[in-house]
Amino acid sequence: KQEVTQIPAALSVPEGENLVLNCSFTDSAIYNLQWFRQDPGKGLTSLLLIQSSQREQTSGRLNASLDKSSGRSTLYIAASQPGDSATYLCAVPWGGKLIFGQGTELSVKP
Amino acid sequence: NAGVTQTPKFQVLKTGQSMTLQCAQDMNHEYMSWYRQDPGMGLRLIHYSVGAGITDQGEVPNGYNVSRSTTEDFPLRLLSAAPSQTSVYFCASSYDRGGGSSYNEQFFGPGTRLTVL
Repeated sequence: KQEVTQIPAALSVPEGENLVLNCSFTDSAIYNLQWFRQDPGKGLTSLLLIQSSQREQTSGRLNASLDKSSGRSTLYIAASQPGDSATYLCAVPWGGKLIFGQGTELSVKP
Repeated sequence: NAGVTQTPKFQVLKTGQSMTLQCAQDMNHEYMSWYRQDPGMGLRLIHYSVGAGITDQGEVPNGYNVSRSTTEDFPLRLLSAAPSQTSVYFCASSYDRGGGSSYNEQFFGPGTRLTVL
């Protein structure tokens, strides 16, 4: 059974700080891992998709890494801004569906 | 492209009423799915479809029906609404979700917030 865990559940940082969000999964036989952003009351926006053969993906100030052997992915946000405040979710496809973590609620203070 | 669109954005129902949540995508994606999001439970798959005419159950299908007559549309029907169906419903789509191939990037709609009284 695949389980996805995100730690911490909530994070508050001052503007400008670099930060890391963690995602772990119990079964390393994944096809890929996707990071999403969800703003309050809104839908999910895809940020990055890492294929199982890749080690990392970058988009602007975001960098996601994947270590299948240890069952971990991290999302690195450089020079955080108040506009980055949102809930960040990771998910892996498993058994015909996406298995989501519970998310990390990020607050970036001006 | 409009991407994945959902209507309505908000809905209030009384127990026992039926309704249909609409989902459409203009990306010619074969794979479409419905999730519900509840506090403390995360996102759970209700039903999914790998192409027109093909649907299957997810982990929480009871009380919901789906059909897929076209590639673009994947409506979710609540047969007899119950307070336990109060939730936020998301529709998602992706391309090339085939046996043996990698799952591709999932695109989500903005959601429908449903309250059942």
